[in-house]
Amino acid sequence: EPEVTQTPSHQVTQMGQEVILRCVPISNHLYFYWYRQILGQKVEFLVSFYNNEISEKSEIFDDQFSVERPDGSNFTLKIRSTKLEDSAMYFCASITGEMKNYGYTFGSGTRLTVV
Amino acid sequence: AQSVTQLDSHVSVSEGTPVLLRCNYSSSYSPSLFWYVQHPNKGLQLLLKYTSAATLVKGINGFEAEFKKSETSFHLTKPSAHMSDAAEYFCVVSGGSGTYKYIFGTGTRLKVLA
Repeated sequence: EPEVTQTPSHQVTQMGQEVILRCVPISNHLYFYWYRQILGQKVEFLVSFYNNEISEKSEIFDDQFSVERPDGSNFTLKIRSTKLEDSAMYFCASITGEMKNYGYTFGSGTRLTVV
Repeated sequence: AQSVTQLDSHVSVSEGTPVLLRCNYSSSYSPSLFWYVQHPNKGLQLLLKYTSAATLVKGINGFEAEFKKSETSFHLTKPSAHMSDAAEYFCVVSGGSGTYKYIFGTGTRLKVLA
């Protein structure tokens, strides 16, 4: 079964440093997403991406965050200057247009720890 | 606006007894509803989905959910709990937005007692 692949699985970074979280969505999918889950809390929407642009973003997704699909296969989330409160599990997800009612495929997540 | 409420943050059942995890939703549109399971330190796995077809939905590992529009509910059930069912369960609503954004509930932690 096709998978969404996220790398790395764990990342530790110093406060103020830039991090890039990487995702390889399923190849025929058209919609891409980032969600995050702070430890012990619910999963929160960050951003959706379609047709090479952001289609919706949450209030969490401020100027410190950016997304990119640089080469048609990878989908990246960049945090420019990390804060302690950015520590969370970050999930990438993708879905096809036709499969919009059939549920996302989520990656296994990247656990980001900011120290 | 859409929202989802999971009525129990923790549920404990004995192995072999039924499981009921409750979820109520609010949506201005015809919603799509999902249940996801998350085992410790793992990702999110789709258990089942409702997308305006049959109101009783069967999923993986013996789980079922029934969409009740009049009660705005989508409760998850399983006739007989297994130790391996111990995990966090999330109810999710989607729909009405062209971006197919998910709104997650706060989760229910299921504990299965031997």
